[in-house]
Amino acid sequence: QSVLTQPPSVSGAPGQRVTISCTGSSSNIGAGYDVHWYQQLPGTAPKLLIYGNSNRPSGVPDRFSGSKSGTSASLAITGLQAEDEADYYCQSYDSRDVVFGGGTKLTVL
Amino acid sequence: EVQLVESGGGLVQPGGSLRLSCAASGFTFSSYDMHWVRQATGKGLEWVSAIGTAGDTYYPGSVKGRFTISRENAKNSLYLQMNSLRAGDTAVYYCARGVAVAGTGENWFDPWGQGTLVTVSS
Repeated sequence: QSVLTQPPSVSGAPGQRVTISCTGSSSNIGAGYDVHWYQQLPGTAPKLLIYGNSNRPSGVPDRFSGSKSGTSASLAITGLQAEDEADYYCQSYDSRDVVFGGGTKLTVL
Repeated sequence: EVQLVESGGGLVQPGGSLRLSCAASGFTFSSYDMHWVRQATGKGLEWVSAIGTAGDTYYPGSVKGRFTISRENAKNSLYLQMNSLRAGDTAVYYCARGVAVAGTGENWFDPWGQGTLVTVSS
């Protein structure tokens, strides 16, 4: 049982927009800790996708965006592409411990 | 190029010990917090340990007292000593550089190494 809750799976057709939620509580996201997002392509290590709730590292397409409100955060992907099919994880802190969401598998139909 | 390369994984019996290493290059290693994160096959990510630039260490309850993180800045290397290993410790272990959220002790992780597989089985 992960401290941060993500939907196990989401799907969308090419070109569509999908969102992945990351729900926490008053001891983690709601306490003011930032949320970060990672993309893990099949068989590879995780890669930073969004940091500090809504910032994209250089090289990450602007199709990816993040937001945070209250005790939750969201990752939005617009203009869905086949190469976006991957697992996505949110990360934050809870009482000084690093915590991850359980991960969301994105399927591009 | 910033790079992290893990080594030391393998098959170990329950109750045994293993030491993982992570070789860093392409950045000033001593200036960054470092972390270990693991992932069991088909499962999500689990934070295992962290070490700050001053050598301060942090662990979740699941490994506290069994795992020890350390660093050797002169060798640009990070280590994880794992004792009293259990079947539940079987996973790919990643090292990751912690990048600090300004004004806080929080990190995000960038980059990650390719991982090393630890299998605990008799």
